[in-house]
Amino acid sequence: KAGVTQTPRYLIKTRGQQVTLSCSPISGHRSVSWYQQTPGQGLQFLFEYFSETQRNKGNFPGRFSGRQFSNSRSEMNVSTLELGDSALYLCASSAQGATNEKLFFGSGTQLSVL
Amino acid sequence: AQSVTQPDIHITVSEGASLELRCNYSYGATPYLFWYVQSPGQGLQLLLKYFSGDTLVQGIKGFEAEFKRSQSSFNLRKPSVHWSDAAEYFCAVGGGATNKLIFGTGTLLAVQP
Repeated sequence: KAGVTQTPRYLIKTRGQQVTLSCSPISGHRSVSWYQQTPGQGLQFLFEYFSETQRNKGNFPGRFSGRQFSNSRSEMNVSTLELGDSALYLCASSAQGATNEKLFFGSGTQLSVL
Repeated sequence: AQSVTQPDIHITVSEGASLELRCNYSYGATPYLFWYVQSPGQGLQLLLKYFSGDTLVQGIKGFEAEFKRSQSSFNLRKPSVHWSDAAEYFCAVGGGATNKLIFGTGTLLAVQP
């Protein structure tokens, strides 16, 4: 069974641009969550999608958005990039999105904003 | 407020020595507690989790953790560390029908030969 796949692995953008990151969950998983990891702030929850609906959202500005498709694949978008958006963006999936389920993480997309 | 504190930013142990990584949490409801490990350039891998029942939980790679409600702690232990255990370790708390987890800032473990 393939794991959680995130593309691209690395991304370099300049301030003001926008970026779209992709996440393919494990087959059969309906819940996808996104986390931002930075050296200063650590791991912070961005949002969670379940069956194409956003179920939970963290404390990030509206420049950060996401969506989930009918095949459970998810994308997150960051508009008007800022230097502080440089981070490792991790996607995680689980079958039903309950806390007592095992969460499977992808290897992440490393975003650098210049 | 919900939070997780990992007081030790960096720990160095000798190979074969025992290990204890500390984790304290603040959570309004019954917490679900987790320990994850992250190797450089990789995602997170679940080591173990606690939901209820026996307060001593066993995980993968020989790790265990003990939940102490009175101390709001969930410390990770391993009796004998291997060089391959060098990584960053994260404690997390969550609850309910959601995958939202609150993570600690992590403890970076170095293993000396």
